[in-house]
Amino acid sequence: GAVVSQHPSRVICKSGTSVKIECRSLDFQATTMFWYRQFPKQSLMLMATSNEGSKATYEQGVEKDKFLINHASLTLSTLTVTSAHPEDSSFYICSARVRGRTANQPQHFGDGTRLSIL
Amino acid sequence: SQQGEEDPQALSIQEGENATMNCSYKTSINNLQWYRQNSGRGLVHLILIRSNEREKHSGRLRVTLDTSKKSSSLLITASRAADTASYFCATDAQAGTALIFGKGTTLSVSS
Repeated sequence: GAVVSQHPSRVICKSGTSVKIECRSLDFQATTMFWYRQFPKQSLMLMATSNEGSKATYEQGVEKDKFLINHASLTLSTLTVTSAHPEDSSFYICSARVRGRTANQPQHFGDGTRLSIL
Repeated sequence: SQQGEEDPQALSIQEGENATMNCSYKTSINNLQWYRQNSGRGLVHLILIRSNEREKHSGRLRVTLDTSKKSSSLLITASRAADTASYFCATDAQAGTALIFGKGTTLSVSS
């Protein structure tokens, strides 16, 4: 149980393209999902917290106009990298918490999206 | 932001040996969790230890937590080649908030 599906797994596109990444909780509802970014051989850096039905909360230094987050349902959050440039190339990972379970519960992670901007 | 340091950054051992990784954090926590990441993949949850617990076991995994020192360790006993991965500790300062990850330890187990 508690499976998170992230799609696509890999994107290669030209500079200036906008890219949408989907994060779905397949067998549970998630009022909160999280988006992380990971550079090669580094740890995960939290980008934003996605809240169902409300605006996302962005971490300091993350451009909200650059990384658009929409959490329109209890099972889907999307991250759109707008007008992507080579410096946006990275590994993006989402995670979700099971709705109603917040204390002392693990997060469930998607398999990540490798974004490469040429 | 990241919580703190993990050491070692990289660890190479032979199959059958034990692997110990350490993690330090900076703030008060609700719990501490360990995750595993295979190359190019997402994270898999290994074990969660609550702030009022000192030790926890799960199969070949043993986790300790010392809140006075703000540190934790993960011990993998009788390691296997399939244990080769990056291991991250992550802390949950408040229930329901995002996890803050350590820098990770890359473990290589050779057969």
